[in-house]
Amino acid sequence: GDSVTQMEGPVTLSEEAFLTINCTYTATGYPSLFWYVQYPGEGLQLLLKATKADDKGSNKGFEATYRKETTSFHLEKGSVQVSDSAVYFCALSDLYSSASKIIFGSGTRLSIRP
Amino acid sequence: SQTIHQWPATLVQPVGSPLSLECTVEGTSNPNLYWYRQAAGRGLQLLFYSVGIGQISSEVPQNLSASRPQDRQFILSSKKLLLSDSGFYLCACLPPGSGTTEAFFGQGTRLTVV
Repeated sequence: GDSVTQMEGPVTLSEEAFLTINCTYTATGYPSLFWYVQYPGEGLQLLLKATKADDKGSNKGFEATYRKETTSFHLEKGSVQVSDSAVYFCALSDLYSSASKIIFGSGTRLSIRP
Repeated sequence: SQTIHQWPATLVQPVGSPLSLECTVEGTSNPNLYWYRQAAGRGLQLLFYSVGIGQISSEVPQNLSASRPQDRQFILSSKKLLLSDSGFYLCACLPPGSGTTEAFFGQGTRLTVV
């Protein structure tokens, strides 16, 4: 079945450092890919998404490119801030092969030091 | 846009007691609905999903059950809670025909079984 594999955390960086969180997926169909963010004590919010190969999703300085050849959707940000501290989830949805399921990675906890 | 109401926000229940968590959706009709659990320090585990009234799919064998008595209402229940049922429970909604758009999440219920 479909699956998402995400970089293990926790990840600790200094403010203004470059961030990469790796995400790879397996899917039999043509999934849409997402990054969600969860701030402490809250539910999940969509950070960005890409619906087809070579699409780039971007929001709040974060970017991720849908790479079908490497089945990846890595999250990047050029200069992180303390306010970016949160748990980040990579996810896919593919109604044609996942029976309407949304599949999440295990999450990566990011902590940014001032 | 869709809004998901989930309650209660926190809950402390003794082992062996019943459970009922409710999730209601506004702003869409005939959505796919999901219950996820996030155990401490772990990722999101899909528990149940529903594509319509009375239609429930279970992802993992467990002590919990789900029901969808109305189009925009999704309930998570247990007859007798176990310590291992503790966690953060999230309800999610995927609007119909939206394999390429994001899911919307409630704010979550933190359940502690004591």
